[in-house]
Amino acid sequence: SQKIEQNSEALNIQEGKTATLTCNYTNYSPAYLQWYRQDPGRGPVFLLLIRENEKEKRKERLKVTFDTTLKQSLFHITASQPADSATYLCAPLYNNNDMRFGAGTRLTVKP
Amino acid sequence: DAGVIQSPRHEVTEMGQEVTLRCKPISGHDYLFWYRQTMMRGLELLIYFNNNVPIDDSGMPEDRFSAKMPNASFSTLKIQPSEPRDSAVYFCASRRQGDTGELFFGEGSRLTVL
Repeated sequence: SQKIEQNSEALNIQEGKTATLTCNYTNYSPAYLQWYRQDPGRGPVFLLLIRENEKEKRKERLKVTFDTTLKQSLFHITASQPADSATYLCAPLYNNNDMRFGAGTRLTVKP
Repeated sequence: DAGVIQSPRHEVTEMGQEVTLRCKPISGHDYLFWYRQTMMRGLELLIYFNNNVPIDDSGMPEDRFSAKMPNASFSTLKIQPSEPRDSAVYFCASRRQGDTGELFFGEGSRLTVL
């Protein structure tokens, strides 16, 4: 069965640095891959989507890459701020219907 | 739009009791998903509906769990009888057919079974 792995449970970085989060999947490549942000006590919120044929997607300080050879997506937050502290979840889409999530990486940005 | 609305936000019950969680998806959305989130297992897909029809319920833990969607604006997730291991946050999410899959989540229902 398909597995979704996010690099670590927690990532601590200093304000101003770039945070890099990893999402690895097994077996066949998804048509799309989404990233969500979840704050404590709240539901996940959609951030970015990248398609199978796209190498990179940017939105303000966020950048997502998609490497179908490595079966990996990287999520970068540049010039990180304490307000970026949250849990980030990746969700590959295979048939555009069944949506499953990785376990998430909890990011803490220290001032 | 008010977004996906879930109720109750918090529920504390005793083992053996019936629990009903409710969800109102965003108007016009064709898909509705129920997820369960725990520290140990993360966000697990339980079941999803398309146009009120259950499509995949392979994530439903056991027969104690059931979900219905009687119309496009309402869904329920029922646990009967509840057990302490059912304690979790249950999320409902919806999306529109034809979009690239962006899910809109509710704020969740935190269930504690004593």
